[in-house]
Amino acid sequence: GQNIDQPTEMTATEGAIVQINCTYQTSGFNGLFWYQQHAGEAPTFLSYNVLDGLEEKGRFSSFLSRSKGYSYLLLKELQMKDSASYLCAATDSNYQLIWGAGTKLIIKP
Amino acid sequence: DVKVTQSSRYLVKRTGEKVFLECVQDMDHENMFWYRQDPGLGLRLIYFSYDVKMKEKGDIPEGYSVSREKKERFSLILESASTNQTSMYLCASSPGQRDTGELFFGEGSRLTVL
Repeated sequence: GQNIDQPTEMTATEGAIVQINCTYQTSGFNGLFWYQQHAGEAPTFLSYNVLDGLEEKGRFSSFLSRSKGYSYLLLKELQMKDSASYLCAATDSNYQLIWGAGTKLIIKP
Repeated sequence: DVKVTQSSRYLVKRTGEKVFLECVQDMDHENMFWYRQDPGLGLRLIYFSYDVKMKEKGDIPEGYSVSREKKERFSLILESASTNQTSMYLCASSPGQRDTGELFFGEGSRLTVL
């Protein structure tokens, strides 16, 4: 079956770095998305990886290894506003999105 | 700014009532989706549409139907609401034909069925 795994909850300190991991098993693969969702709000797009390697976008970076079925989202210089849930989603061979349950990130001062 | 608007942020309905959730996007996107989001579970796709008058079942279509009479509007209908349909409902749209691309989400409609 198709499956996405990511940790349920993580805690980090303001100003630090945190890595949120995501492993996936899909029928075919056409890319991996990361979305951010603040409590009570809509998810918003953060990144998309289809090739192996690291994509950097300001304080956020996303990494993909297709051979390992693995991705991570790296957040640097953490700010209190980064407290949110981070959703990992993989696209299968039919371009359907398979979603993880999300990782709730708690930032402490 | 791109925008997906859902008609109601919060609804409370009784078991057996018919419920309409409306979604409008102003980006001229081809694709529109309805998801439900429950604690501890990933987003689950209910229905989607790649074109006007077209609809396809997602992973959990039972108990739901949809309507897409105009490109910008995608409605989710619960013919007879049940308590297990209490959830957050998210509408999303994306450009392009068939490939998902980046999704733009509405703010969500939190439905409680008593």
